[in-house]
Amino acid sequence: QKEVEQNSGPLSVPEGAIASLNCTYSDRGSQSFFWYRQYSGKSPELIMFIYSNGDKEDGRFTAQLNKASQYVSLLIRDSQPSDSATYLCAVNVRGGSNYKLTFGKGTLLTVNP
Amino acid sequence: DAGVTQSPTHLIKTRGQHVTLRCSPISGHKSVSWYQQVLGQGPQFIFQYYEKEERGRGNFPDRFSARQFPNYSSELNVNALLLGDSALYLCASSLDRGFDQDQPQHFGDGTRLSIL
Repeated sequence: QKEVEQNSGPLSVPEGAIASLNCTYSDRGSQSFFWYRQYSGKSPELIMFIYSNGDKEDGRFTAQLNKASQYVSLLIRDSQPSDSATYLCAVNVRGGSNYKLTFGKGTLLTVNP
Repeated sequence: DAGVTQSPTHLIKTRGQHVTLRCSPISGHKSVSWYQQVLGQGPQFIFQYYEKEERGRGNFPDRFSARQFPNYSSELNVNALLLGDSALYLCASSLDRGFDQDQPQHFGDGTRLSIL
């Protein structure tokens, strides 16, 4: 089982709709979870992080964490064409006494005007 | 404030050569990590350094090495380059305080390495 899994997509939504991106992880000891946005040819940009079960909102973005189900999601409300990018889920996975940030393969989101 | 800076932006090498990539973290950040990203994949963890000490190492061969300097900048070295080393190499820094490893990491623009 891969440590962090995401649907590769592409996920296509119309402008103004809600985009829902999902991620599962295998290490029950993981404590911190991150969402990055990566435009084609660019580096990842941090958009959200969450540490506790429940929802965390920041503008049009909501991160949701369910540690019992080992599931983290990102909702993008009122999607805009500029949101079209690959969204990377990242989880701090324990390796011995240290942690390493482990990424999924990313989900390609396309927002259609 | 300046973000994470990496140099060079692009690099072309041939098989068997050696390469050094450089990274300067965000001011105040003492933790630096290196990642390799190939097309269609998420970044893969290579190394993490905190206060000049190696904190973690990913599943990469010994051809890959790194170090962190007293000013918290870092170098990634790759020896005996292979075609498969062609990738985007990303550096990230975080406001890690040593006792927590949960701080978000912020990425530089990366170095695109091509091996011919």
